[in-house]
Amino acid sequence: DVKVTQSSRYLVKRTGEKVFLECVQDMDHENMFWYRQDPGLGLRLIYFSYDVKMKEKGDIPEGYSVSREKKERFSLILESASTNQTSMYLCASSGGVSDTQYFGPGTRLTVL
Amino acid sequence: DQQVKQNSPSLSVQEGRISILNCDYTNSMFDYFLWYKKYPAEGPTFLISISSIKDKNEDGRFTVFLNKSAKHLSLHIVPSQPGDSAVYFCAAQSPGNTPLVFGKGTRLSVIA
Repeated sequence: DVKVTQSSRYLVKRTGEKVFLECVQDMDHENMFWYRQDPGLGLRLIYFSYDVKMKEKGDIPEGYSVSREKKERFSLILESASTNQTSMYLCASSGGVSDTQYFGPGTRLTVL
Repeated sequence: DQQVKQNSPSLSVQEGRISILNCDYTNSMFDYFLWYKKYPAEGPTFLISISSIKDKNEDGRFTVFLNKSAKHLSLHIVPSQPGDSAVYFCAAQSPGNTPLVFGKGTRLSVIA
């Protein structure tokens, strides 16, 4: 079974803090993705990566950066957290073209 | 501009009856479509998919229909069960290794 794990289920941070969200997958997948989910807005793609050290901007990259130093790990970084980044953050991975995306359990981030 | 639209934010169905969730898309390049199911505080889980070369795909109680000329797909769940109560996301993908594009989701409530 594919397993995608995220470092925290719940996180509370203060405005201006630097926040790291970690995602690890154990299926040797090339592709990894970060989304955020907000009520009424669905899943919005923040960043994705098709290979180690490679990253592409998604639909809403502003205020975020990512790091992929190893194939199995994809990190999302909020350089200076703001209240409008309070959200559910979801990581996903997939093996390639038309391959199913598998999601982690999500991190509920609250920025105060 | 929304490329994948789920126009019904919510749907209520009696247990045992059929649930029909609809999804429309605007990008004629999409050739692969998926449905995901999401419970609160969990990541989305893959439910069923369909390639554009087909017009129907069935898996147990779940059937997805694709009408390419109308750029419309639907997910049928029959019979509906209380455990089917969740948010359902429609997603579409263009050819090649491209990210999925998600709709905003439909919350299904199956009433016992």
